[in-house]
Amino acid sequence: GAGVSQSPSNKVTEKGKDVELRCDPISGHTALYWYRQSLGQGLEFLIYFQGNSAPDKSGLPSDRFSAERTGGSVSTLTIQRTQQEDSAVYLCASSLLPPGVNEQFFGPGTRLTVL
Amino acid sequence: AQSVSQHNHHVILSEAASLELGCNYSYGGTVNLFWYVQYPGQHLQLLLKYFSGDPLVKGIKGFEAEFIKSKFSFNLRKPSVQWSDTAEYFCAVSPSSNTGKLIFGQGTTLQVKP
Repeated sequence: GAGVSQSPSNKVTEKGKDVELRCDPISGHTALYWYRQSLGQGLEFLIYFQGNSAPDKSGLPSDRFSAERTGGSVSTLTIQRTQQEDSAVYLCASSLLPPGVNEQFFGPGTRLTVL
Repeated sequence: AQSVSQHNHHVILSEAASLELGCNYSYGGTVNLFWYVQYPGQHLQLLLKYFSGDPLVKGIKGFEAEFIKSKFSFNLRKPSVQWSDTAEYFCAVSPSSNTGKLIFGQGTTLQVKP
């Protein structure tokens, strides 16, 4: 079956612009996660969705970052007024419930470059 | 703060050599433990996981890991590596009481020479 998909695969933007990153989880997976992978910081958790609600947003680095999920499926991560330090690979993962005991399946990521 | 430490950043081995990658975590409560692997050009995928029970867990492709609670460690092992094991390996912890978020180590790049 289809895995987690993310779009775009690559995004180059100018400092100060807003970007939207999309994640399509595996069908039926209620749990959805966003992570960020960067050279200096490794893999960092950003946000967790259970259905359409986000009970854990503790990893969002600033209020420029936001995310939503609609219909218990697609999720969008939005970064406003991008900065060069936002350059990273943004990974999405999904899993069945309960979280923490079920395998998280990762997508291919979106490589964001902020010039 | 919760953290995961992988001691080896870059490991180079010849085929058939034995592998052990170290992983230590800092968290006082109950945790679930994972090793993920990222082969060149591929997605992160699960190698193995530990939740409870036998502290020696076996995963895919001949990998195993041992949970030693007293040492807060979850080291990954393989008796005989192959060229196809060349990849980046990540240890991760999920505090069992929370939302399932994974806290990753910095990763270890394994290069296996044929």
